Amino acid sequence: EAQVTQNPRYLITVTGKKLTVTCSQNMNHEYMSWYRQDPGLGLRQIYYSMNVEVTDKGDVPEGYKVSRKEKRNFPLILESPSPNQTSLYFCASSLMALTYNEQFFGPGTRLTVL
Amino acid sequence: KNQVEQSPQSLIILEGKNCTLQCNYTVSPFSNLRWYKQDTGRGPVSLTIMTFSENTKSNGRYTATLDADTKQSSLHITASQLSDSASYICVVSSGPFGNEKLTFGTGTRLTIIP
Repeated sequence: EAQVTQNPRYLITVTGKKLTVTCSQNMNHEYMSWYRQDPGLGLRQIYYSMNVEVTDKGDVPEGYKVSRKEKRNFPLILESPSPNQTSLYFCASSLMALTYNEQFFGPGTRLTVL
Repeated sequence: KNQVEQSPQSLIILEGKNCTLQCNYTVSPFSNLRWYKQDTGRGPVSLTIMTFSENTKSNGRYTATLDADTKQSSLHITASQLSDSASYICVVSSGPFGNEKLTFGTGTRLTIIP
């Protein structure tokens, strides 16, 4: 089944404890992206990747890192999480850049930073 | 600043009735407009994608319209079902070909009651 998977789905952590949220897609998509979704706000892009070894900042990249060593994986790294990073996170992928290409979203990761 | 505004914020209708959701945008340069359905606690799922040359696009009981002159779009749901209860998000893509960015609306929360 074609899909985007994320792990973990739920995570509670404490301030400053490094964490990684994994994202994987099995559709051979070139474009991958991370978003966060907060109440009252639309989804906001954190980072995106046009292809392997190519990553760029989105609208809210502060406090996050990403890597794209393989085409299928695009992990999101929080080196020193803070409470304002408590949010619902979505990974997404599309065949190529967003020009008329459908974007497929993962199931989401709900992160709480205490 | 690119913006996407949706109305109403929330809507409750009886099962079987029709409804229309609105989206106004101030995004430039315009590339395409998308409508997504997001069930509670899940990732958004694409319903339609329209370029500026497309006025109407249907996906089953969902019909999206686009007026690029007035920068307005609507999503019409026909003969609503309980499973239509979800948030509907309008998203506008803008920017140079191959390097577009997405601007998300905050969504309309639709509740279908029996």
